[in-house]
Amino acid sequence: DTAVSQTPKYLVTQMGNDKSIKCEQNLGHDTMYWYKQDSKKFLKIMFSYNNKELIINETVPNRFSPKSPDKAHLNLHINSLELGDSAVYFCASSQQSSGRETQYFGPGTRLLVL
Amino acid sequence: GEDVEQSLFLSVREGDSSVINCTYTDSSSTYLYWYKQEPGAGLQLLTYIFSNMDMKQDQRLTVLLNKKDKHLSLRIADTQTGDSAIYFCAESGSSYKLIFGSGTRLLVRP
Repeated sequence: DTAVSQTPKYLVTQMGNDKSIKCEQNLGHDTMYWYKQDSKKFLKIMFSYNNKELIINETVPNRFSPKSPDKAHLNLHINSLELGDSAVYFCASSQQSSGRETQYFGPGTRLLVL
Repeated sequence: GEDVEQSLFLSVREGDSSVINCTYTDSSSTYLYWYKQEPGAGLQLLTYIFSNMDMKQDQRLTVLLNKKDKHLSLRIADTQTGDSAIYFCAESGSSYKLIFGSGTRLLVRP
């Protein structure tokens, strides 16, 4: 009965490959997010979707493409992976998109690009 | 721009109180949050405070907000070894997203 789940938990891949990570929430929330946490633990938002619509798109390389098939799912596809993409990627969700609602985080996907 | 700053490291003895500090720049912040991240885990919401409040207490946790100085603190009473983690301060500003601090690594010594 995990609230926000991500798959895979660990992902090790070669530079240049394309990979996807998936996120699902069973909280009935309208808004989902992707965050990147670098090796220094600095956490920064990448994208946010509200009811399948993109509402936040930070300066992220266009190799990163989020996709929300429905409001309970937000996937992140990464093309042509680079060494600098190695990080922990966290999915989160909240009831609405005002930024004032509590965000609930998934356990993270640890991506290592070799 | 929006910015949130925290001290990087705090070490306390088990049983003592811990105080983790945070400063932020966005005066339009409505909510301020404290999240906890244990090693290898995701972020867990600990508590939050609405910007028109000065203090909020929740069991061993006390949040103090000085809106004039844009200073937020988290006090953990009777700190336990299980409290060792990284604590993130975050603000929800005018741009409908959470801005996180760099995290404070709390080490509780037996």
